[in-house]
Amino acid sequence: AQRVTQPEKLLSVFKGAPVELKCNYSYSGSPELFWYVQYSRQRLQLLLRHISRESIKGFTADLNKGETSFHLKKPFAQEEDSAMYYCALSGWGGSNYKLTFGKGTLLTVNP
Amino acid sequence: EAGVTQFPSHSVIEKGQTVTLRCDPISGHDNLYWYRRVMGKEIKFLLHFVKESKQDESGMPNNRFLAERTGGTYSTLKVQPAELEDSGVYFCASSQINSPLHFGNGTRLTVT
Repeated sequence: AQRVTQPEKLLSVFKGAPVELKCNYSYSGSPELFWYVQYSRQRLQLLLRHISRESIKGFTADLNKGETSFHLKKPFAQEEDSAMYYCALSGWGGSNYKLTFGKGTLLTVNP
Repeated sequence: EAGVTQFPSHSVIEKGQTVTLRCDPISGHDNLYWYRRVMGKEIKFLLHFVKESKQDESGMPNNRFLAERTGGTYSTLKVQPAELEDSGVYFCASSQINSPLHFGNGTRLTVT
């Protein structure tokens, strides 16, 4: 069975501090990994996906198949990064509609 | 472009009543999905349409839930009769083939 685990329900950091949101997964095969973000009163939106290998809003995430992790990192957090972050996975290729989500981590960046 | 729109944004009904949620996908998106987040749990897949056809409805909880997408445009999700455990946020999303999902704002359903 596929599963996504986000061990931290809440994460609080100060502005300018590094932030890392943890995500571990279990999946038999080659998954595709995503990070979704939901800002206050906004819709859930894609932040980044591992196959893109890009940095969005200063965030990066590296897929570590050995540790089955896809942690989200940003070297210097900003107050506008405060939001709910969801890690998700899907099967490789055309089945990327059937996302399995983690429970989410609420990130608060304090001034 | 206009995003995925869902209606209503909130719905409060009594146990045993019927509720119909609506989703208008982004124009041109053949793929339409329904997801649900029950309080304290993960966001979970319910079903997937390709145009008007149900491609995968493996996540539908039981036969009290009925989804339709007549004409391959908007979709409705009907819950009849609603039970307390159906309370949660229902998300709709749409996409083009092999492209990321675009989510709506969700409908918060409360069954009392």
